[in-house]
Amino acid sequence: SAVISQKPSRDICQRGTSLTIQCQVDSQVTMMFWYRQQPGQSLTLIATANQGSEATYESGFVIDKFPISRPNLTFSTLTVSNMSPEDSSIYLCSVLLQETQYFGPGTRLLVL
Amino acid sequence: ELKVEQNPLFLSMQEGKNYTIYCNYSTTSDRLYWYRQDPGKSLESLFVLLSNGAVKQEGRLMASLDTKARLSTLHITAAVHDLSATYFCAVEPFSGTYKYIFGTGTRLKVLA
Repeated sequence: SAVISQKPSRDICQRGTSLTIQCQVDSQVTMMFWYRQQPGQSLTLIATANQGSEATYESGFVIDKFPISRPNLTFSTLTVSNMSPEDSSIYLCSVLLQETQYFGPGTRLLVL
Repeated sequence: ELKVEQNPLFLSMQEGKNYTIYCNYSTTSDRLYWYRQDPGKSLESLFVLLSNGAVKQEGRLMASLDTKARLSTLHITAAVHDLSATYFCAVEPFSGTYKYIFGTGTRLKVLA
């Protein structure tokens, strides 16, 4: 497996602001993913972030709202832009290792 | 629309009992993953099932995959309190993309 960290672990933000979430892994990985998990719900894939190429977004998610960076093989960021209370959720990154995704600890976001 | 459904959604069982969680999916796929999530925690990989008829066992948990029936099962043998968690299955509908569609989750509570 891998050691994956996310920053911040939690945050409370005002509507209309933006928050950037960082994901760091202790080994080089080609594929990283960003998910959203609303409280008590399942996970929904937001986008796939491959180093050296633009992120690919799933239906219902757009780059203007969730811009992603992937500057190297161990790091990625997800920004939640122009936040509204509906963006309150847990955001998780994952990495692909040996054909399995391993997940970071998550970032709990509350938008007021 | 791709759907991954689990049942039951909630399960309360006595220690020492056996039970099975079902994961049904609506698309063809020969890759299925099981994860465990403890409250307030991230997801832990349990099993990776990569072909029809695959069976994996770890401790009191056993997972199987029937791709023709589009069904995976997670069988719990002689449950113990430490197994209390939420269990998710995830399907990779487009083999090789490593994009997962997660199931609805099964919240398991094992009563001492």
